[in-house]
Amino acid sequence: GENVEQHPSTLSVQEGDSAVIKCTYSDSASNYFPWYKQELGKRPQLIIDIRSNVGEKKDQRIAVTLNKTAKHFSLHITETQPEDSAVYFCAVEIYFGTGTSLTVIP
Amino acid sequence: DAGITQSPRHKVTETGTPVTLRCHQTENHRYMYWYRQDPGHGLRLIHYSYGVKDTDKGEVSDGYSVSRSKTEDFLLTLESATSSQTSVYFCAISSGTGVITEAFFGQGTRLTVV
Repeated sequence: GENVEQHPSTLSVQEGDSAVIKCTYSDSASNYFPWYKQELGKRPQLIIDIRSNVGEKKDQRIAVTLNKTAKHFSLHITETQPEDSAVYFCAVEIYFGTGTSLTVIP
Repeated sequence: DAGITQSPRHKVTETGTPVTLRCHQTENHRYMYWYRQDPGHGLRLIHYSYGVKDTDKGEVSDGYSVSRSKTEDFLLTLESATSSQTSVYFCAISSGTGVITEAFFGQGTRLTVV
């Protein structure tokens, strides 16, 4: 299987600041890189994804960048809000990272 | 939300007993997955299926077996439950024909082995 590493494991930011979460992977043949958000007590849900033929994708305050050569990809959340507080998971195909607990401080 | 239901939602069982968790979907999606979620480990893939009677092992398959006799049902069996299998189990489904796409998760099953 894939080896997905995710950092940091916890992240606290002030409301309005940006948050960045990074993931690395091992299999250069991987092509699908989704990000999921899991609120407390809820199921994970997709927030954004990117495929290997694209280097960057944006959706309002959320963006994902992919560097296939270096085998890493990142999630960027701008203008953070308290409701962004959750656990975020990166994934490579069907294999998940260990998660980042994001806290946005009002 | 995608039509995916896990049962039971909560279960307490004794060490050494067999346990079966059920995942049922109404989306006719081809791919189904079982994950376990533990603090510090994220979501770890146990087994997955690419179609009826087509299953394969994931990252942490020891002590687990699966069956998929119908498109809509994917069963996870703990053959002899151990305390290390206490966890939250998530089923997920995805569509796609030959490519991996977004996974939709069930509500989760909280299993406690005492």
